[in-house]
Amino acid sequence: TQLLEQSPQFLSIQEGENLTVYCNSSSVFSSLQWYRQEPGEGPVLLVTVVTGGEVKKLKRLTFQFGDARKDSSLHITAAQPGDTGLYLCAGGGYNFNKFYFGSGTKLNVKP
Amino acid sequence: ETGVTQTPRHLVMGMTNKKSLKCEQHLGHNAMYWYKQSAKKPLELMFVYNFKEQTENNSVPSRFSPECPNSSHLFLHLHTLQPEDSALYLCASSQDPGTDNEQFFGPGTRLTVL
Repeated sequence: TQLLEQSPQFLSIQEGENLTVYCNSSSVFSSLQWYRQEPGEGPVLLVTVVTGGEVKKLKRLTFQFGDARKDSSLHITAAQPGDTGLYLCAGGGYNFNKFYFGSGTKLNVKP
Repeated sequence: ETGVTQTPRHLVMGMTNKKSLKCEQHLGHNAMYWYKQSAKKPLELMFVYNFKEQTENNSVPSRFSPECPNSSHLFLHLHTLQPEDSALYLCASSQDPGTDNEQFFGPGTRLTVL
């Protein structure tokens, strides 16, 4: 069993559609990070959330950290082909001395 | 460009070969990491170095041998690998090893073991 479960695993949508990606755990984290990885590259940090219930916005991307600090979501409004990539969540802190990554959501946005 | 470079980008090796992966960070960070990324598996942390000292070995087989000569360079020496070791090997660095720090990843080395 994985510490962080991401859903869906794959998502293929048309340009302009909205989508939400989820990252869930039964464990509590002090912080949670979201990364995007494009083909042939390493993951790049999008955001870090540290407060339960926190909402952060990055242009068309909205990140939310659950009140209980066990889950997080990423919502993309009006997706564009440039949003295509692998979205990874990573949790750390409290009982963990390192980050644990989810298995990722592979997003394909078709023009 | 994240400030972390990795060479080579692609490597094909036989099970009896010995090769090394190289990582260099130009960010002045103190912590460096090796990760393994396989298809259908989460990113797996392999090793953590802080100020050149290994602080984490995540039960990695001895056929993978890390080396950190200074805080800017990290190597992964490979010998007698198995086909299931084929994966993308990612290097990362952060200011410090704490989990609140952003990790900067290199582009990875795509390794194929025949």
